[in-house]
Amino acid sequence: NAGVTQTPKFQVLKTGQSMTLQCAQDMNHEYMSWYRQDPGMGLRLIHYSVGAGITDQGEVPNGYNVSRSTTEDFPLRLLSAAPSQTSVYFCASSYDRDRSGELFFGEGSRLTVL
Amino acid sequence: AQTVTQSQPEMSVQEAETVTLSCTYDTSESDYYLFWYKQPPSRQMILVIRQEAYKQQNATENRFSVNFQKAAKSFSLKISDSQLGDAAMYFCAYSGTGTASKLTFGTGTRLQVTL
Repeated sequence: NAGVTQTPKFQVLKTGQSMTLQCAQDMNHEYMSWYRQDPGMGLRLIHYSVGAGITDQGEVPNGYNVSRSTTEDFPLRLLSAAPSQTSVYFCASSYDRDRSGELFFGEGSRLTVL
Repeated sequence: AQTVTQSQPEMSVQEAETVTLSCTYDTSESDYYLFWYKQPPSRQMILVIRQEAYKQQNATENRFSVNFQKAAKSFSLKISDSQLGDAAMYFCAYSGTGTASKLTFGTGTRLQVTL
């Protein structure tokens, strides 16, 4: 039972480079989201999706792009990385219809932008 | 916009003792959910306990319980009989009406457990 799988777990980029953080879940969850975690700031919502083909912005969406072509996958794209995007990124999913609000998290991806 | 405040950046408790972590939130909604998540050094986020605002009874999960004061917008977590494995970051989180899974997190409290 894989749950939420994030890749890569670690990545170092140079300023201006692009990359994609992958997220996949095998629980048939309709809701998926991306958070970033920075010291002293908790987790902040970047983008989220309530189903295939539907995405919306969270609290800190600038510099990030998402798409949801399938129920299982929700990749996060950095188009032109900046040092301010150095962070730990978490993908999370849930079965939103039961309104439990319980998120299932991936193990996180640590990104460093030089 | 909803906000969640955790005013204790760090707490310490001796093994087998009880500790309470504080959380306050601000919302204009009447129906919402509150959560405590645990993040051990492994980074994995784990749900500890969940409270539905319309339920007056405080939620309990084994050694973990909450004190939910809706009027005061307060949601504290009590850990009884603390164990070394309880050492972690603890995040309070809020979700409102609409998309129940869209959580707003506090800044976290780091809990140390000493022998």
